Amino acid sequence: NAGVMQNPRHLVRRRGQEARLRCSPMKGHSHVYWYRQLPEEGLKFMVYLQKENIIDESGMPKERFSAEFPKEGPSILRIQQVVRGDSAAYFCASSPNDGEKLFFGSGTQLSVL
Amino acid sequence: GENVEQHPSTLSVQEGDSAVIKCTYSDSASNYFPWYKQELGKRPQLIIDIRSNVGEKKDQRIAVTLNKTAKHFSLHITETQPEDSAVYFCAASISGGATNKLIFGTGTLLAVQP
Repeated sequence: NAGVMQNPRHLVRRRGQEARLRCSPMKGHSHVYWYRQLPEEGLKFMVYLQKENIIDESGMPKERFSAEFPKEGPSILRIQQVVRGDSAAYFCASSPNDGEKLFFGSGTQLSVL
Repeated sequence: GENVEQHPSTLSVQEGDSAVIKCTYSDSASNYFPWYKQELGKRPQLIIDIRSNVGEKKDQRIAVTLNKTAKHFSLHITETQPEDSAVYFCAASISGGATNKLIFGTGTLLAVQP
């Protein structure tokens, strides 16, 4: 059973470009969570999705950030018009149950130049 | 608001000693408390978890205790080894409406000196 798969592992963007981060949950998991991690900080909740539904986006900035988890394919975290402050590690996690036993992917390190 | 505080931020112990990391949470409805270990450059991995109907749980050299009245929980690592060196995160479940998510503490960097 493959774990949570995230790609790319590293993503470099210039200010103003778009960043697309992908996450495939573990087989059988229908709950997907995105977290952001800054150096020497904890994991900050961004958004919780189930298939075709955003359940909780209270941690996601209202502008420039969006997330989806379509019926087919991976979950996508999209950041438009990136700024230097968006540089961080973005982790996706999936769960077989609502909010418990999260299994994390290897993360995407976003660097904005 | 929803908050999990974690102390200390760094902890250095000698190999073989015990290490204790403490967390407090704000949501009295929280009922699930996992601990994650993150090695440098790697993903966080679940090492132990506890539910609110249990006061203590052990798994070999690690144990977690929970005090619901005081809203705090702790991770105990005994007979520490150099491979225990990592960042440890506590978390608490937060429920509200249709959502149930984990809120994480800010992490503790544990260094085990050989």
